[in-house]
Amino acid sequence: ETGVTQTPRHLVMGMTNKKSLKCEQHLGHNAMYWYKQSAKKPLELMFVYNFKEQTENNSVPSRFSPECPNSSHLFLHLHTLQPEDSALYLCASSFQTSSYEQYFGPGTRLTVT
Amino acid sequence: QKEVEQNSGPLSVPEGAIASLNCTYSDRGSQSFFWYRQYSGKSPELIMFIYSNGDKEDGRFTAQLNKASQYVSLLIRDSQPSDSATYLCAVAGTASKLTFGTGTRLQVTL
Repeated sequence: ETGVTQTPRHLVMGMTNKKSLKCEQHLGHNAMYWYKQSAKKPLELMFVYNFKEQTENNSVPSRFSPECPNSSHLFLHLHTLQPEDSALYLCASSFQTSSYEQYFGPGTRLTVT
Repeated sequence: QKEVEQNSGPLSVPEGAIASLNCTYSDRGSQSFFWYRQYSGKSPELIMFIYSNGDKEDGRFTAQLNKASQYVSLLIRDSQPSDSATYLCAVAGTASKLTFGTGTRLQVTL
């Protein structure tokens, strides 16, 4: 596999469920990002990891919990979500956080019912 | 004032014409500027980046940057129907993170 991959591509979950999104990058990058994309809104940065360390949490509610076990893998754990959390969740990576050329995965389309 | 502003469109251009997409930003300290293309239902794809004032050309794409005016644009020459997509402008500001505009939807008509 090349580039940035994300699984699952589509997810429907109830408000009481717990699920996880997975991202893997095969680019040898050291920085990984979670973004949220909702209709008619700009991409919203959620979390940034650089060399496995979280360097930014953009005031994201605690029902979203990221995990970065190594520079190639990033998870987003979801629990007790709200319908307004329905969106496209995008993972991206870059060589470092100071190099802004970010490459995106295909995204997970999340629907909270 | 939005940090990165783009006209949402749609911008409609005939096939073969030049499409001009514009973006303004508020952070005067911004150093790096990016254009992403996003097809409907897909993720953003990086197509151009520019760091210095002036023009940067790559195939049919030209990025133009004017830091004094806080303005960056993307020109697409010989527009093709396959160029129909939403184009996102992204700016790396002094906070060391990318800020995205809402995107301009481009429609290339036959």
